[in-house]
Amino acid sequence: QSVLTQPPSVSGAPGQRVTISCTGSSSNIGAGYDVHWYQQLPGTAPKLLIYGNSNRPSGVPDRFSGSKSGTSASLAITGLQAEDEADYYCQSYDSSLSEFWVFGGGTKLTVL
Amino acid sequence: EVQLVQSGAEVKKPGESLKISCKGSGYSFTSYWIGWVRQMPGKGLEWMGIIYPGDSDTRYSPSFQGQVTISADKSISTAYLQWSSLKASDTAMYYCVRQGGYGGNSFPFDYWGQGTLVTVSS
Repeated sequence: QSVLTQPPSVSGAPGQRVTISCTGSSSNIGAGYDVHWYQQLPGTAPKLLIYGNSNRPSGVPDRFSGSKSGTSASLAITGLQAEDEADYYCQSYDSSLSEFWVFGGGTKLTVL
Repeated sequence: EVQLVQSGAEVKKPGESLKISCKGSGYSFTSYWIGWVRQMPGKGLEWMGIIYPGDSDTRYSPSFQGQVTISADKSISTAYLQWSSLKASDTAMYYCVRQGGYGGNSFPFDYWGQGTLVTVSS
């Protein structure tokens, strides 16, 4: 049971827009802590995709965007491409139970 | 270029000890926290713990406290994750990560090692 909740899977056709939600609580996202997103392509290490809720590291296409409101955050991918098929994880800081850094359970994106 | 290079895959028997490594380069190793993340087969990411190589300040997830030991040797820019007695349930991919700074309140893991696969089987 992950501290942050994500849908197990989402799908979309090439060119479409998809969103992935990440729901937390008052000890993490709701406490004002920023959310980060990672992309894990099959057989590779995760890569930082979005940091500080909505910022893209250098090299990440602007098709990827993030937002945060209340106790939730979202990752949006527009102009879906076949190479976007991957697992996506959200992450934040948690001030309870000394857990510090917590992840969502991950969402598998399938490009139809 | 920032790089985290991890040691190679390991196959061990239950009860054996193990120490895997993560060598940082391309940045000031003593100025950034280094963490470890577990990914069990077909599962998600779990934060295990983190160390500040500058002074060896270490924090553990409650889930991993007492199960593993995190250390660092700043003279060779290398962090370690070790087990004293492996179990079959320790079979997983282990990633080292650098905790980056961006001026916010929840630090992202901006660089990841390539992963070390640990297999524990009799």
